[in-house]
Amino acid sequence: QKEVEQNSGPLSVPEGAIASLNCTYSDRGSQSFFWYRQYSGKSPELIMSIYSNGDKEDGRFTAQLNKASQYVSLLIRDSQPSDSATYLCAVRYYGNNRLAFGKGNQVVVIP
Amino acid sequence: NAGVTQTPKFQVLKTGQSMTLQCAQDMNHNSMYWYRQDPGMGLRLIYYSASEGTTDKGEVPNGYNVSRLNKREFSLRLESAAPSQTSVYFCATVLSNGADTQYFGPGTRLTVL
Repeated sequence: QKEVEQNSGPLSVPEGAIASLNCTYSDRGSQSFFWYRQYSGKSPELIMSIYSNGDKEDGRFTAQLNKASQYVSLLIRDSQPSDSATYLCAVRYYGNNRLAFGKGNQVVVIP
Repeated sequence: NAGVTQTPKFQVLKTGQSMTLQCAQDMNHNSMYWYRQDPGMGLRLIYYSASEGTTDKGEVPNGYNVSRLNKREFSLRLESAAPSQTSVYFCATVLSNGADTQYFGPGTRLTVL
């Protein structure tokens, strides 16, 4: 069973601060990593994908990947109330065309 | 373009009733997926179809059947609904198996009494 762990509880951050989310995965052979954002009552939408070790930046979002330590993280800079949502980590494992999702982390940005 | 559509949006069933959830996409994508999402459980794959004419089991297939009717449509059937199947069901599509971006439908909220 491929596992994707997001263990942190709800994260409350003040507006303008940095929100940091972490995700670990069980299979070293994993190839592709994704962060989805899901607003309450809505469907998930892809916000970041990362495939190589290091950082990838897209606007206020930065994804970080460390395959040796088997973790991927998401930083949200200058957090806005519109960033309040649940963030889902997803991993596609080697030889597998399916995604495994973590349980998600809720982020609440306080104005 | 509507993208990925799902019907119905809401449904209440009694235990033992059957129903079919419909998913349709107009993006000419090859692969389609059915997930369920329960509080605190994340998204769990029920079934998927890599291409028209093929279907495979996912993580939690028991109690469900699927049909890939054509390239556009992928339906999920509950033959005898159980309270444990109360959940939000999402359909998703990708251009091809292994492609990056999964596009999700708006979801169906199902309650089984």
